[in-house]
Amino acid sequence: NAGVTQTPKFQVLKTGQSMTLQCAQDMNHEYMSWYRQDPGMGLRLIHYSVGAGITDQGEVPNGYNVSRSTTEDFPLRLLSAAPSQTSVYFCASSYSGVAGLYEQYFGPGTRLTVT
Amino acid sequence: KNQVEQSPQSLIILEGKNCTLQCNYTVSPFSNLRWYKQDTGRGPVSLTIMTFSENTKSNGRYTATLDADTKQSSLHITASQLSDSASYICVVTRNGGFKTIFGAGTRLFVKA
Repeated sequence: NAGVTQTPKFQVLKTGQSMTLQCAQDMNHEYMSWYRQDPGMGLRLIHYSVGAGITDQGEVPNGYNVSRSTTEDFPLRLLSAAPSQTSVYFCASSYSGVAGLYEQYFGPGTRLTVT
Repeated sequence: KNQVEQSPQSLIILEGKNCTLQCNYTVSPFSNLRWYKQDTGRGPVSLTIMTFSENTKSNGRYTATLDADTKQSSLHITASQLSDSASYICVVTRNGGFKTIFGAGTRLFVKA
């Protein structure tokens, strides 16, 4: 199993450009989520999905779109990049394990810089 | 406000020594608390998960404790190794399953 994979690993964008961060998992997990990690702060939830065709907003959803057409893939789209979106982005997938605890697996991250 | 605070922010110890990292939370209603290890340039990896009824959980040289009354947790690392150099993140999940609150992490440096 490859686990959770993310592409690209690094990306530089100019303000106003759009792009899609890719995330895929091969563990047949129901739940997938996107986080951003900024210096000195905890990971913050952007969007999440509890199954194919179902998505919901997290703590910091503005400026980002997601879709979940398959169980495996959960792309994150930046509509019009802004310097405030410079961050490291992590995708995670989860399954409901023992007693409903969500065992969460993270991808390696995408480091995005917006100039 | 739901918050998770970790201390210290960073810590330097010598190889072979023990250390304890702290986590205080104000998340309610509480479901579970996790500790993650995050190596530089990598995603977090789960170390332990504890529910309300558990007050200690071990994973090799890592032992987590939970006091749900005082809303405090600690992660004790025994006989530290150079590979323990990483950020350690405390995460609390609210009841209802999916909404998690991450602490900012403690950056641990283990020196030879």
